[in-house]
Amino acid sequence: NAGVTQTPKFRVLKTGQSMTLLCAQDMNHEYMYWYRQDPGMGLRLIHYSVGEGTTAKGEVPDGYNVSRLKKQNFLLGLESAAPSQTSVYFCASRTGTGYSGANVLTFGAGSRLTVL
Amino acid sequence: QQPVQSPQAVILREGEDAVINCSSSKALYSVHWYRQKHGEAPVFLMILLKGGEQKGHDKISASFNEKKQQSSLYLTASQLSYSGTYFCGTEILTGGGNKLTFGTGTQLKVEL
Repeated sequence: NAGVTQTPKFRVLKTGQSMTLLCAQDMNHEYMYWYRQDPGMGLRLIHYSVGEGTTAKGEVPDGYNVSRLKKQNFLLGLESAAPSQTSVYFCASRTGTGYSGANVLTFGAGSRLTVL
Repeated sequence: QQPVQSPQAVILREGEDAVINCSSSKALYSVHWYRQKHGEAPVFLMILLKGGEQKGHDKISASFNEKKQQSSLYLTASQLSYSGTYFCGTEILTGGGNKLTFGTGTQLKVEL
């Protein structure tokens, strides 16, 4: 099925541990985004990518790293997890920009991360 | 910076109308609107480009005032299915590519 797949869906970490969230899309989209969602804070942009091999910082990038080695994959890494990173993480992708249906963001189902 | 949405929450009776506002301090390339049901991913509603256009989708429409960097989402004759959290996303041009940032959301509940 075409779409955006996030793995894992759930994960519990201890403070200081590291992990990587994987986002994979099979729609040949250029743009990919990582957001985190916390109660009352809405969706906050962590990092994004406008194409293979490119990444850029969003609004809350501290404590996270990303890589886009392949066009279809966008990885979000936590080098040393902290309780403040407990959140639901959403990945999204789209073809590009401008005014067309192709620029609609397609979201993954989300990954719930708990850091103890 | 996240766009500012208002109100934060609203409760409607079925058939009533509502307006959700979104404003930004940045010059915007476009505005997006999404709706999220509890425990699910956000789902696309519509996109508006600068130019002051207005779009509609069934009984949901939106406008974009480019001069004020503001957008409004209009829900008319609300239905139970409209319940959820509404997010506006504002797109700005940057040297590193277009950044799409979402607001804090508006929780809408439609009751019988």
